[in-house]
Amino acid sequence: AQSVAQPEDQVNVAEGNPLTVKCTYSVSGNPYLFWYVQYPNRGLQFLLKYITGDNLVKGSYGFEAEFNKSQTSFHLKKPSALVSDSALYFCAVRRPGTDKLIFGTGTRLQVFP
Amino acid sequence: GAVVSQHPSWVICKSGTSVKIECRSLDFQATTMFWYRQFPKQSLMLMATSNEGSKATYEQGVEKDKFLINHASLTLSTLTVTSAHPEDSSFYICSASDRVTPDTQYFGPGTRLTVL
Repeated sequence: AQSVAQPEDQVNVAEGNPLTVKCTYSVSGNPYLFWYVQYPNRGLQFLLKYITGDNLVKGSYGFEAEFNKSQTSFHLKKPSALVSDSALYFCAVRRPGTDKLIFGTGTRLQVFP
Repeated sequence: GAVVSQHPSWVICKSGTSVKIECRSLDFQATTMFWYRQFPKQSLMLMATSNEGSKATYEQGVEKDKFLINHASLTLSTLTVTSAHPEDSSFYICSASDRVTPDTQYFGPGTRLTVL
């Protein structure tokens, strides 16, 4: 069965420190991987995606993610966190040949000043 | 670019009434639109996928007669919750993808439905 796991319900980090939000996946074939961010009472905003090519993907607002095929991971990172980065982050996977996204359960990022 | 809007942003209705939610792609043609439901502090659950001019494909366990989806044009899809009950109260989010980047879904801001 296809699935996405975000093992941390919440990640706390001080402003200015690097942040990592973890995501692992289980899907057959070569997956398409996505990160979205959701602010309170809002829809999801697209951050970045990995389809193919360079394993390090750069996205919006200074975020990046590294695709690791051997570890089936796609962790989201940012070198220096901002208080405004505090939000709910979702990892999602799409199997090629389908148009459905499978979402992880989300990780709440809290950046403290 | 790639902006998706939803209307209304929130709605309160009485039990037994029907509610229509609109999803529009503002600056692109949406070949495919998706409807999700999100419960408090939970992930998104895909309800159905719709392509312009054809019937929606519903996920297992989603009642198609209760959640009517119409994708009348390349920029508009509607979700109608018929005979709403309190358990239908939720946050409904639509997304859309286009021909240029069919692998990426762009999400609307969501509609908060409260059924009294």
